[in-house]
Amino acid sequence: ILNVEQSPQSLHVQEGDSTNFTCSFPSSNFYALHWYRWETAKSPEALFVMTLNGDEKKKGRISATLNTKEGYSYLYIKGSQPEDSATYLCASHTGGFKTIFGAGTRLFVKA
Amino acid sequence: GAVVSQHPSWVICKSGTSVKIECRSLDFQATTMFWYRQFPKQSLMLMATSNEGSKATYEQGVEKDKFLINHASLTLSTLTVTSAHPEDSSFYICSARDRRKPNTEAFFGQGTRLTVV
Repeated sequence: ILNVEQSPQSLHVQEGDSTNFTCSFPSSNFYALHWYRWETAKSPEALFVMTLNGDEKKKGRISATLNTKEGYSYLYIKGSQPEDSATYLCASHTGGFKTIFGAGTRLFVKA
Repeated sequence: GAVVSQHPSWVICKSGTSVKIECRSLDFQATTMFWYRQFPKQSLMLMATSNEGSKATYEQGVEKDKFLINHASLTLSTLTVTSAHPEDSSFYICSARDRRKPNTEAFFGQGTRLTVV
């Protein structure tokens, strides 16, 4: 994989549903994987920075896992709320300190 | 958290004119700032890496004479779109890392929506 790929591109869920999405990234020259949350008309906000294979991080109802050997990360949201509606970006930070972004997963949570 | 301020948030300009976008780190110093461009429904694409006190590093396919970057201080980087054309209409966003914490997340500005008419 040469680019950072995210799936699905968009996702519609009902309030209370749990959901997850995927980020695939180049496993060579890996340094760190970043997850950002980007609400409309606001700046992207960092959720997690993950560096070690097997890392799991959690912030409230949102958690993420990392597999650097196979080059993927999952973001989980438990009990989605309307305020979780946003675009979730992942970005791979390589050894050259270059950050490559995925296209994002746009999450819509319906009340 | 750290704040990056980007101005203007939107601008409309006539074809052939130049537009300057500012990216300012408000409560930290950034040796390096990054400029991205996003077309509708596409990824944030890195255009260039702005280095304080030296020339910017441009990504392949980005014209350095078209997109002038100046990083004159540890808290300010500017992107000037010269002789803008309608195809330059896009969303431009900057990010910066705290130079004391180079391996942490980047902080983003609010972005600038440029429309060239």
